[in-house]
Amino acid sequence: SQQGEEDPQALSIQEGENATMNCSYKTSINNLQWYRQNSGRGLVHLILIRSNEREKHSGRLRVTLDTSKKSSSLLITASRAADTASYFCATTGYALNFGKGTSLLVTP
Amino acid sequence: GAGVSQSPSNKVTEKGKDVELRCDPISGHTALYWYRQSLGQGLEFLIYFQGNSAPDKSGLPSDRFSAERTGGSVSTLTIQRTQQEDSAVYLCASSFGGVWGETQYFGPGTRLLVL
Repeated sequence: SQQGEEDPQALSIQEGENATMNCSYKTSINNLQWYRQNSGRGLVHLILIRSNEREKHSGRLRVTLDTSKKSSSLLITASRAADTASYFCATTGYALNFGKGTSLLVTP
Repeated sequence: GAGVSQSPSNKVTEKGKDVELRCDPISGHTALYWYRQSLGQGLEFLIYFQGNSAPDKSGLPSDRFSAERTGGSVSTLTIQRTQQEDSAVYLCASSFGGVWGETQYFGPGTRLLVL
């Protein structure tokens, strides 16, 4: 069953703009991960944020976590056409519990 | 080094036939996972192998689905008597230790179409 729910379902922006995706989840977590998927194929791990962290950065990515609201956000700054993909949050046990994802389109 | 590989990339089969999907995890990874991604259901966990422990089969949707992992490495997911609702992308992932919340590395998936 889905644990995370991403919002929006789809997002279209122009190159250079920032993209923000949100994720809400239902139960307590130890950590939360964000993954990217290109063309409906394999997923690539982007970033992991632990439950005792509030913010984490990796390159152009910024992830926040609010455990009181059971929500996380992924910000991609200065987006590029190559960022076009689907983005999923996943809460973690031994297996990953994925949301349905946000489909991001970055146009030149 | 090599990532997770899966074969075949695409599989078209007729309803009622059996199919086998293969996954080669990253060398040295002790944990292996199967997921299914379909339009209606999103990404679903199917089964999890960790070392020599009994697999966690809690995500398998029916008894037509089974999986094996031989020698702690390669895994095969078998779907018997395929149905049209089995059409999906089947994704395999592996991780180093299989501990709670560990990063998983995904293969490119097998796209299964049941006619």
